[in-house]
Order: sequence, then C-alpha cells, then structure tokens
Amino acid sequence: GQNIDQPTEMTATEGAIVQINCTYQTSGFNGLFWYQQHAGEAPTFLSYNVLDGLEEKGRFSSFLSRSKGYSYLLLKELQMKDSASYLCAVRDSNYQLIWGAGTKLIIKP
Amino acid sequence: TAGITQAPTSQILAAGRSMTLRCTQDMRHNAMYWYRQDLGLGLRLIHYSNTAGTTGKGEVPDGYSVSRANTDDFPLTLASAVPSQTSVYFCASSDADGSDEQFFGPGTRLTVL
Repeated sequence: GQNIDQPTEMTATEGAIVQINCTYQTSGFNGLFWYQQHAGEAPTFLSYNVLDGLEEKGRFSSFLSRSKGYSYLLLKELQMKDSASYLCAVRDSNYQLIWGAGTKLIIKP
Repeated sequence: TAGITQAPTSQILAAGRSMTLRCTQDMRHNAMYWYRQDLGLGLRLIHYSNTAGTTGKGEVPDGYSVSRANTDDFPLTLASAVPSQTSVYFCASSDADGSDEQFFGPGTRLTVL
C-alpha cells in the first residue's frame, strides 16, 4: 500500500528553527509537495521537490532524498503566523497526490 | 481573480437526502479534484477530472458522483447521504493533468445527521 508518515504535532519557540520530517512509500514517485494549512482554511502550496537536495525559498526550505523515501521541511526564524498544519504529499505513478495526515505546528512566544 | 469558489460554505443534511456541492474555477485549469478531509487522516481523493468531458475515480469514490461539462465547473453529488460522509470537502484545480501544484477552494463543511 501507499503510506505517508509525518509527526502528528510539534511545538517550537518563536524565532527558532524547526524541522518537520516526512517519510513515504508510494507506487512510483513524481515529486513531493509541502502545503501549509491554517485552521479552518484551505491548504496552500509551499514547496516542490522532484530531485534530491535542498530547495530554499525565503524562511522555508525543503529537502528530498528519493533513495531513503524521506523529505523534511525546515522553517527558520519562526513567527507566530507559522502556527498551522504542514501537509506532505507525494505524486505517485498515476500523477495523483497521496497525502500525509499533516503535522500541527504550535509556536510559543 | 477569484480563483476557486465553493458553495455552500457549510451544510447540515439529513441522512438519505441528496446534495450537490458546487465548485467553480476561473483560472482555466484543465485538471480538477474533489477531496475530503477528516480529522487524523490525510486528504483523500474522491474523484478527479483531467479535462472537460472526462472524470475518474479516486481513493474513496463510493457514494459520490461528479460531472465536468465545461472547464470551469466540477460539481460533486451525494445521491443519498450517510453520516460517514460528514467531512470537510475541498475542491482543487491544477494547470495540467496533475503535473503542477494544486490550488484549493475554501472548502465545504458538511454534516450528515
């Protein structure tokens, strides 16, 4: 079967750095996405990785290792507005997204 | 640009009744999707459409039907609602057949009693 695993909840301090991990087992791989979802709102796109390595976009970076079936999202200089759920999704061989359950990130002052 | 709109925002429905959730996008995206999101679970694909006139089944299609008469609209119909269909429903679209990021509507919160 297909499986995306990520921690259910994480807590971090404002101004700090946090790393959210995602491991996956899917039928085929055509890219990995990270989305942010604030409570009661729709998911919004953060990043996309299809090749191994680090993609940096401002305070957010995403890393991919295809051989390990592993990705992480790195958030730097945390702000209170970063409190949200972070969703990992893998595009499988049918070009459909398989979604993890999301990691709820709580930022404390 | 409105992006993707969904209606209604929320609805309480009696079991056994039918209902259509509406979804409209103005980005001229070819591909559209319907997901349900339940607490503790990832988004699950119900149905999708790669282009107007075609539809496909996702992971959890039972009890739902869709149509794609034109590029902009992708309604989701529950023929006879059951309590297990209580969920938040998101419509999404992407520029090609799933090759690009997906843009999501604001969601419809449905409660079936």
